[in-house]
Amino acid sequence: AQSVTQLDSQVPVFEEAPVELRCNYSSSVSVYLFWYVQYPNQGLQLLLKYLSGSTLVKGINGFEAEFNKSQTSFHLRKPSVHISDTAEYFCAVSDRGAQKLVFGQGTRLTINP
Amino acid sequence: DAGITQSPRYKITETGRQVTLMCHQTWSHSYMFWYRQDLGHGLRLIYYSAAADITDKGEVPDGYVVSRSKTENFPLTLESATRSQTSVYFCASRSEGSGNTIYFGEGSWLTVV
Repeated sequence: AQSVTQLDSQVPVFEEAPVELRCNYSSSVSVYLFWYVQYPNQGLQLLLKYLSGSTLVKGINGFEAEFNKSQTSFHLRKPSVHISDTAEYFCAVSDRGAQKLVFGQGTRLTINP
Repeated sequence: DAGITQSPRYKITETGRQVTLMCHQTWSHSYMFWYRQDLGHGLRLIYYSAAADITDKGEVPDGYVVSRSKTENFPLTLESATRSQTSVYFCASRSEGSGNTIYFGEGSWLTVV
């Protein structure tokens, strides 16, 4: 069975500063990895996903994530954040044979002006 | 617009009452899911369905019932609501094929008093 740990429950940053949201996963098999964003009172929207190939994955809104198999990590980064990036971010994993996602607890990103 | 619609979006009910949350998708996706979102727990899978008339339990199925008589609908019923079922409920869907994105509805906010 898979599990996901998001290492920070809250991350406050200043506008235009870089940010990294950390995600570690546990699985005994090959996995797919996802980052979703949830804006207030909305559903979840896919930011990016890693299926195979290049370990650096680029997503929407200037976000990117790097898959590190040896460290079982999939950290999300953005070089310069904007007020509109304020949201909750969820890391998720599924093994390649499974049909469902396992989510982390979420990281609340707060951008201060 | 095509997508996933959930109803009601907001519901207050009393302990012991039966409540049904509706979910409708227009993509003809094979897989549908119900998640609940609670502070500190992220999203946890309640039930999922691989096709019409095929359903299976997720991580937290107790107290819930699902059905899927038609591909496009996946209602979730709380047979006798309890306060611990106060939560935000998300319906989701995805098409067949490994690694495909899961798409989420806007959520149903349920309060049990």
